[in-house]
Order: sequence, then C-alpha cells, then structure tokens
Amino acid sequence: QQQVKQSPQSLIVQKGGIPIINCAYENTAFDYFPWYQQFPGKGPALLIAIRPDVSEKKEGRFTISFNKSAKQFSLHIMDSQPGDSATYFCAASTNAGKSTFGDGTTLTVKP
Amino acid sequence: DGGITQSPKYLFRKEGQNVTLSCEQNLNHDAMYWYRQDPGQGLRLIYYSQIVNDFQKGDIAEGYSVSREKKESFPLTVTSAQKNPTAFYLCASSTYNEQFFGPGTRLTVL
Repeated sequence: QQQVKQSPQSLIVQKGGIPIINCAYENTAFDYFPWYQQFPGKGPALLIAIRPDVSEKKEGRFTISFNKSAKQFSLHIMDSQPGDSATYFCAASTNAGKSTFGDGTTLTVKP
Repeated sequence: DGGITQSPKYLFRKEGQNVTLSCEQNLNHDAMYWYRQDPGQGLRLIYYSQIVNDFQKGDIAEGYSVSREKKESFPLTVTSAQKNPTAFYLCASSTYNEQFFGPGTRLTVL
C-alpha cells in the first residue's frame, strides 16, 4: 500500500514557467513533509520542508502549499530555470524519522 | 566537513558473488538507512537502523544484509541471493525528520 502518491511522473516546462508537483498522503500521523531534489548520478538533497501547522512555506523560488484536510501538498517552482531540471521527490515522516517517499517527478525546463 | 560518504562510487560484481557497500557519517546521527533506486523509479527502503546494534528490515530486504556495530558506519552486503542487484544504492542518516543522503554507489552485475 503506497502511503504517498506523487504526480505527475514527468513534467516539461519552458524557462520562466511554474511547474507544480503534487503529493497526497494517507497516514494522518505524518507530521513532516519534505521535498528532495536529485540530479542524475547524485544523492537527493533536501530542498524545502513543511509541518502541518502552516499552509504555505516559501524559500526563494520554491514554495510548498499544504492542505491538511485534503491530505495533500504540492511544490511550486517560480521562474523555473534549466538548472532546475532534476528529479523531485516528496516525502512524509513522523518523529520516528523513517520517511515514506513518493515515486518522483522528472522535471525538464527547456531554455 | 560533515556529511555522508559512500564507497565505492562504482562497483562491478560477477553473478554469485557477495559484495559490501560502505556508508560512513560524521553527523552524529542515530538513524541510518539504505535505499535502492532503479532507473526512473523512486526510493525503496532496504534496511534501517535507529540505534547501534539494532536494525530493521525495510520493504525489500530479501537478498541483503547489514550491520551496525558503530554509530558512524552502516555497511550493506548484497548477497548472491539478491536476484537482480544492478541498481543505484543510497545511504542516508537522519536526526528527527530530515534525511541526509550520501552520493550513492552504482552496482552493476556482470
């Protein structure tokens, strides 16, 4: 049973566009929702994270929107650049630390 | 510099051989994890350890083994029982929620 569902699987946007990646979770015990960015051949790195007591968090061009009642959260990338082309993973975890990951979204930003 | 190191970066193995992947962290994290990543796919948890001398199976533990004798080290052995071991292997450590990943080891079975 997949506890975190991520969509779309792949996404292509033009430079300057605003790609949106969505995730939905089932376990209401989750209390930490990070997004990771992974470049080919590298390990994922934390991009931005949110806790369920806020509905939005912004860091630079990256924004997480969180809807607790719908059990959904999404990543928005403002003014996307070719250098943002990567695979993005959402995740959800509890204080126990073990994370459940989505299947990833491969983003391509065309110049 | 604090972080997680994995070695080797590339590893080639003949069928029927066991191979051990190294993972070391100097972040003083209690928890460590091993994930497998296949092309175009997500991260699947193999094993995790939340404290020294203790570890639990993840979703795909068959054909793998681990040890956690030191806080800093969490080596993964891919045994000959693993039928399709060619993949990208990622080690991570965490404190509370955030996971920090190593650079990965790409294992290829010849």
